[in-house]
Amino acid sequence: GENVEQHPSTLSVQEGDSAVIKCTYSDSASNYFPWYKQELGKRPQLIIDIRSNVGEKKDQRIAVTLNKTAKHFSLHITETQPEDSAVYFCAARPTDSWGKLQFGAGTQVVVTP
Amino acid sequence: SQTIHQWPATLVQPVGSPLSLECTVEGTSNPNLYWYRQAAGRGLQLLFYSVGIGQISSEVPQNLSASRPQDRQFILSSKKLLLSDSGFYLCASKGYTDEAFFGQGTRLTVV
Repeated sequence: GENVEQHPSTLSVQEGDSAVIKCTYSDSASNYFPWYKQELGKRPQLIIDIRSNVGEKKDQRIAVTLNKTAKHFSLHITETQPEDSAVYFCAARPTDSWGKLQFGAGTQVVVTP
Repeated sequence: SQTIHQWPATLVQPVGSPLSLECTVEGTSNPNLYWYRQAAGRGLQLLFYSVGIGQISSEVPQNLSASRPQDRQFILSSKKLLLSDSGFYLCASKGYTDEAFFGQGTRLTVV
């Protein structure tokens, strides 16, 4: 089955700097890669996603890149703000998997003013 | 978009007691439904998924079971809770789009 690894496990950045989180996946049949943000004690919420036929996607300060050959994808947050502090999860979904998402272990991002 | 209702929000149960967590979905029909567990400081582990009424697949062997008595209702149960069942339980739903929506979660503490 699919296995997703996520690094780093914690990330501290100064407000205004950029944050980058990297994930690798094992199943070449995976074709959908979402990123979720989870604030303390709350539900994960989708912030951006990318399909395997696209190499990069951007939404304001957030961007995701995908390298299918190397089987890795990354989340980039620019101009970080304190409200970006949360746990971020990457995930991968193989085709024909009944929509099951395999999640990475998460990255705790702390943005200090 | 979909709305996932999950309750209760918090639960403290003694070891050996039964468990029933309920999840209902609005805004879609015939969704795929999922139960995830999140241990403290850890990622989300898929426990069960369902592609239709009465259809349940288990991802990991464990002390829990799931049922789907109606199209938009998903229930997580246990006959006898273990200490290791403590965690944050999340119900999720996927309709016709790619996005999976999560409920607000149930924090279960087994004492």
